[in-house]
Amino acid sequence: EPEVTQTPSHQVTQMGQEVILRCVPISNHLYFYWYRQILGQKVEFLVSFYNNEISEKSEIFDDQFSVERPDGSNFTLKIRSTKLEDSAMYFCASRPGTGGAQPQHFGDGTRLSIL
Amino acid sequence: TQLLEQSPQFLSIQEGENLTVYCNSSSVFSSLQWYRQEPGEGPVLLVTVVTGGEVKKLKRLTFQFGDARKDSSLHITAAQPGDTGLYLCAGSPLQGDAGNMLTFGGGTRLMVKP
Repeated sequence: EPEVTQTPSHQVTQMGQEVILRCVPISNHLYFYWYRQILGQKVEFLVSFYNNEISEKSEIFDDQFSVERPDGSNFTLKIRSTKLEDSAMYFCASRPGTGGAQPQHFGDGTRLSIL
Repeated sequence: TQLLEQSPQFLSIQEGENLTVYCNSSSVFSSLQWYRQEPGEGPVLLVTVVTGGEVKKLKRLTFQFGDARKDSSLHITAAQPGDTGLYLCAGSPLQGDAGNMLTFGGGTRLMVKP
């Protein structure tokens, strides 16, 4: 069964450094998402991406964050200057197309640890 | 801001018992998904409910969407140790929100003891 893949599984970065998290969504999917989950807290929406542009973003997704689909398969999340509070699990998700009934499928996440 | 409250947060039961997990909101959702999450992994989709009052069954798991599409429940019959895990509900907003971001509940951590 097709799945969303994320790399790396664990990223350790010094505070203030840039980090890029990578995702390969399911191949025929059109909507892409990033979520994060701080340890012990709820999964929180960051951003959705469709047709090569951001369609929605949350208050968390400030100017330090950016997303890109550099080619036909990858979807990346960049954090420009990481902060301690950016430490979390970051999940990428994708879904086929329009219609709320089409569920999102999640990758296994990247654990980001900021030192 | 749409919120989803899940209850209970933790549940520890013996094998063979039945249980129900609740997901409640004051907001209306166009659909609601239930996921299961294992440690170190991403949420894995169990079911999507779309129509108010809808009931879906997945083996020993029964999912119901409230008539007003504001709440949902997951009922497990004759729980087994393999059911142990974190169960998450997540709602999609009403049509018109282009991104269809999911709002997650806080999760129910279930432990089934043999």
